[in-house]
Amino acid sequence: SQQGEEDPQALSIQEGENATMNCSYKTSINNLQWYRQNSGRGLVHLILIRSNEREKHSGRLRVTLDTSKKSSSLLITASRAADTASYFCATDAGGAQKLVFGQGTRLTINP
Amino acid sequence: GAVVSQHPSRVICKSGTSVKIECRSLDFQATTMFWYRQFPKQSLMLMATSNEGSKATYEQGVEKDKFLINHASLTLSTLTVTSAHPEDSSFYICSAENRGRGYENTEAFFGQGTRLTVV
Repeated sequence: SQQGEEDPQALSIQEGENATMNCSYKTSINNLQWYRQNSGRGLVHLILIRSNEREKHSGRLRVTLDTSKKSSSLLITASRAADTASYFCATDAGGAQKLVFGQGTRLTINP
Repeated sequence: GAVVSQHPSRVICKSGTSVKIECRSLDFQATTMFWYRQFPKQSLMLMATSNEGSKATYEQGVEKDKFLINHASLTLSTLTVTSAHPEDSSFYICSAENRGRGYENTEAFFGQGTRLTVV
């Protein structure tokens, strides 16, 4: 069963604004990852944050992790039209081999 | 990053026929591959874990005789949808991991996905 829940389910903002997506999970984890999916395509790995890390940056991406609240957030700064995609968080469900994905956030950046 | 190639990207088949989808790791050896199914505007649902040289591990509710998985080499896993029906129409995605890199740093590399339409 899906472990993660993401909110919002859909987000529409203007180009240049910041976009924040949240992810919650239920069990303990070793790490949490964020992926991006363009419509009808595979997933592209964005960033991985370990359970002992609280914040991580990669370019315009900023990810936070709060293991006490079992939640993570993905911030995309200075959004661009090309950022339009679905974004998923995924956890390793406490060390299991498989990844468990959240429901995803559909992000639309309006030019 | 590592490359995973999935083929075909789109397939249309008649009800009752079987369809094979291939997932290849092009520049690394993947001892483990995963098959997911995704319905429109929904998340990825794990179907099964494919282990090289052994039987696949299926998630609860996934019919192993319906979705045959073969992982005969370190670079290739195949998913065969047998006796396909319209309700099997979906987007199927594979991913592969390189365990040699260390589990804590595991990053899944995804194929491009296969859009299956059963008519």
